Amino acid sequence: GEDVEQSLFLSVREGDSSVINCTYTDSSSTYLYWYKQEPGAGLQLLTYIFSNMDMKQDQRLTVLLNKKDKHLSLRIADTQTGDSAIYFCAESMSAGNMLTFGGGTRLMVKP
Amino acid sequence: GAVVSQHPSWVICKSGTSVKIECRSLDFQATTMFWYRQFPKQSLMLMATSNEGSKATYEQGVEKDKFLINHASLTLSTLTVTSAHPEDSSFYICSGGDRLTDTQYFGPGTRLTVL
Repeated sequence: GEDVEQSLFLSVREGDSSVINCTYTDSSSTYLYWYKQEPGAGLQLLTYIFSNMDMKQDQRLTVLLNKKDKHLSLRIADTQTGDSAIYFCAESMSAGNMLTFGGGTRLMVKP
Repeated sequence: GAVVSQHPSWVICKSGTSVKIECRSLDFQATTMFWYRQFPKQSLMLMATSNEGSKATYEQGVEKDKFLINHASLTLSTLTVTSAHPEDSSFYICSGGDRLTDTQYFGPGTRLTVL
C-alpha cells in the first residue's frame, strides 16, 4: 500500500528558513498536500501541489516536488515562533479521494 | 475558502454510551466525506469513506458496527461511536472534497474522551 514518511522533528532559530521533507511511495499520487496542526487543533491546509508541477510558491512557503525520487519538501522562509506546529504531508489520487498522511514533523522555532 | 464544521468540538462521556459527531460542509457539496482518527502524538489514520446515499467503506481493522457512519445529504455526514470505551478516546476529524476547486477541506476535529 501507500506509504508516506517524514522526519519526526526539526528545530530552527527564528528568522532562519525551515525545510521539512517528505517521501512517498505511490507513483499514482496526483495531489500532494502540506497541512499544519497546532496543539489541540484540527488541520489547516497550507498548500498543495499537483504532480505535474515541480515547484509552487505561496508567500513564505515554497513546495518542491521531485517526482522521479518521490520527494516533497516544504520550505518556510523567515520562520517565526508562530510557525511552531506539526506539519503533515499527505498524498491522494484526486481531491475526492482519501488522503494518506505522513507521521508528521514537529517544528520547533527558537527565539 | 470552503469550510467544514464539526459538532461537538469536545465531548466527554461515560463508558458504554453512544456519541454522535456531525460533519457539515458549509458552502460546498461533498459527495464523499472521510473520517479520520488521530491518537495523541500520532498521525491521522483513515477510518472510513462516507458516500452520500450509500453505505460507508471502512478501512481494515475498523469495526463498522461500532463506528456507524451516515451520509444523508451532500452537506452532512455523521459518525456515531456506539458503546464507547476509554480506548475509543481520540481526536476524530472529518474532511470533504470540493470537486469544483479540487481541494479537500478538513473539519476542526472532535475530541472524544470516554471515562
